[in-house]
Amino acid sequence: ELKVEQNPLFLSMQEGKNYTIYCNYSTTSDRLYWYRQDPGKSLESLFVLLSNGAVKQEGRLMASLDTKARLSTLHITAAVHDLSATYFCAGGLMNNNAGNMLTFGGGTRLMVKP
Amino acid sequence: GAGVSQTPSNKVTEKGKYVELRCDPISGHTALYWYRQSLGQGPEFLIYFQGTGAADDSGLPNDRFFAVRPEGSVSTLKIQRTERGDSAVYLCASSLNRNTEAFFGQGTRLTVV
Repeated sequence: ELKVEQNPLFLSMQEGKNYTIYCNYSTTSDRLYWYRQDPGKSLESLFVLLSNGAVKQEGRLMASLDTKARLSTLHITAAVHDLSATYFCAGGLMNNNAGNMLTFGGGTRLMVKP
Repeated sequence: GAGVSQTPSNKVTEKGKYVELRCDPISGHTALYWYRQSLGQGPEFLIYFQGTGAADDSGLPNDRFFAVRPEGSVSTLKIQRTERGDSAVYLCASSLNRNTEAFFGQGTRLTVV
């Protein structure tokens, strides 16, 4: 059974600072997703990481995957207030029965202060 | 529509009542998933449909929960004898097929009072 843990659960940071959110997973995962969720809204897909060493960047966010360490990171560069949201990582394990079913971490609530 | 649509967006019901939550997937998407997100937590898998059949319902918490997708498009999640612990946001997601990324709807916030 795949288990996914994120840390920190809550992150308060100043604008302009850098920080990293960590996502550990327990068993082999075919793919690793990062999502953003604003209060009362649904999940917005940010990144899909499919292979060891994969790195993807979009604006101030960069995600990476180390399948040997079973670790993915989401790095925030020069944070701005608009990045305030809850970020989830989710591992997917393809199998014949459950398709692309995802196991989510508990989320990291990010608050960027001016 | 362009995205996954869920109705209603909010539902308040009394303990013991029956509720139905509807999901309209993206047109042409054969795979459909239901998740439940409790306050302050990540979504948890409930059930997966491939076409009309429930390929995996291992996430349904008990037999009060049931879901159907009779024509391989719209899906309905049904909850009988609702309990206060059922209060959560129920998310639906669909994907083109079982191998591709799923896109989420905006969710139905269920409150059992």
